[in-house]
Amino acid sequence: KQEVTQIPAALSVPEGENLVLNCSFTDSAIYNLQWFRQDPGKGLTSLLLIQSSQREQTSGRLNASLDKSSGRSTLYIAASQPGDSATYLCAVRQTSNTGKLIFGQGTTLQVKP
Amino acid sequence: NAGVMQNPRHLVRRRGQEARLRCSPMKGHSHVYWYRQLPEEGLKFMVYLQKENIIDESGMPKERFSAEFPKEGPSILRIQQVVRGDSAAYFCASSPTLGGTNEKLFFGSGTQLSVL
Repeated sequence: KQEVTQIPAALSVPEGENLVLNCSFTDSAIYNLQWFRQDPGKGLTSLLLIQSSQREQTSGRLNASLDKSSGRSTLYIAASQPGDSATYLCAVRQTSNTGKLIFGQGTTLQVKP
Repeated sequence: NAGVMQNPRHLVRRRGQEARLRCSPMKGHSHVYWYRQLPEEGLKFMVYLQKENIIDESGMPKERFSAEFPKEGPSILRIQQVVRGDSAAYFCASSPTLGGTNEKLFFGSGTQLSVL
């Protein structure tokens, strides 16, 4: 049974710092991995999606990496801003015949001005 | 192109009442997923539907919960005889097809169910 874990559960950093959020999964046979952002009281916004054959994806100040064999993914945020404060969720899709995602519990990030 | 629309945003029910949560997927999307987020927990998959079909309901509680996605109209998640433990945020997501490997799920803003 696939389990997804995110460390740390919460993180507080001063504005401008570079930071790394971690995600690990127990079953390396995944189809893809997706990082989401969730703001309080709101839905999820997809940030980056990495296919199982890819090593990384980049969008602006965000870079996500995937090491499928070791069951790990990281989300790197460069030059953090207060507007980056949110909960970041990673989710694994196991197969191609369902879009069902298995989520980690998230890392709540606070970027202080 | 409107996003995934969920209503109501907030729903208050007393124990024993029925809760009906609605989800209109993005235009052109025929795949709908329901997830539940309990307080202090991550999102848990409940059910996956295509038009008029339940594809995977492995995350649905065995009793009191049901879901449908009719040919016309929104997808409905129905909870009968609600209990306090049903209080949670319920999120709906949609996608156009299953074929694309780069296919993302698009999420609605959720319905916050509170059971008194």
